[in-house]
Amino acid sequence: AQSVAQPEDQVNVAEGNPLTVKCTYSVSGNPYLFWYVQYPNRGLQFLLKYITGDNLVKGSYGFEAEFNKSQTSFHLKKPSALVSDSALYFCAVRDGLGGSYIPTFGRGTSLIVHP
Amino acid sequence: NAGVTQTPKFQVLKTGQSMTLQCAQDMNHEYMSWYRQDPGMGLRLIHYSVGAGITDQGEVPNGYNVSRSTTEDFPLRLLSAAPSQTSVYFCASRIKGGLNTEAFFGQGTRLTVV
Repeated sequence: AQSVAQPEDQVNVAEGNPLTVKCTYSVSGNPYLFWYVQYPNRGLQFLLKYITGDNLVKGSYGFEAEFNKSQTSFHLKKPSALVSDSALYFCAVRDGLGGSYIPTFGRGTSLIVHP
Repeated sequence: NAGVTQTPKFQVLKTGQSMTLQCAQDMNHEYMSWYRQDPGMGLRLIHYSVGAGITDQGEVPNGYNVSRSTTEDFPLRLLSAAPSQTSVYFCASRIKGGLNTEAFFGQGTRLTVV
């Protein structure tokens, strides 16, 4: 079975400060992990994914995510937040061992970047 | 490219009415899926399809039907609308040839059932 958790409903950060949005997962085999962003009244947009290889994955808009197998985490990070980064962020996971065709999404974390 | 197109963008239904939410993609993607998004619940999978003629249930399929007669289209039917189906609905598609490809989402349909 595959599951994902985003432990924070909301993250607040000041513009220019680093940001982290947390994601933990549970799978039976190898995890395939994704981050998406949703701006108000829009559909989700793909940011980045981890399939295999380097634990640090770089994606769109200056975002990156760090895969940590021992902690079963895939936290989204950005060195310097922008007000325009304010949005809803979703983590998703698919289990490489007998997993569903479709990834499971977390509940989402609202990121608010204050000027 | 239009990507994934959902229609309508907004809809108000009376309890008991039926309707079809349309989803079309022009990327020749094999995999398509429908989600509903509710506050505090994230995205929940309703139905999905791995190709024309093949559909399967997701996490919350009750009250919804789907069909996939072509690669491009994946309509979602509400059989008898209920207030509990008030939600924002998203259609998504993914390319075949790798179960680890990212999904492309439509803009969503905001449905209110009164």
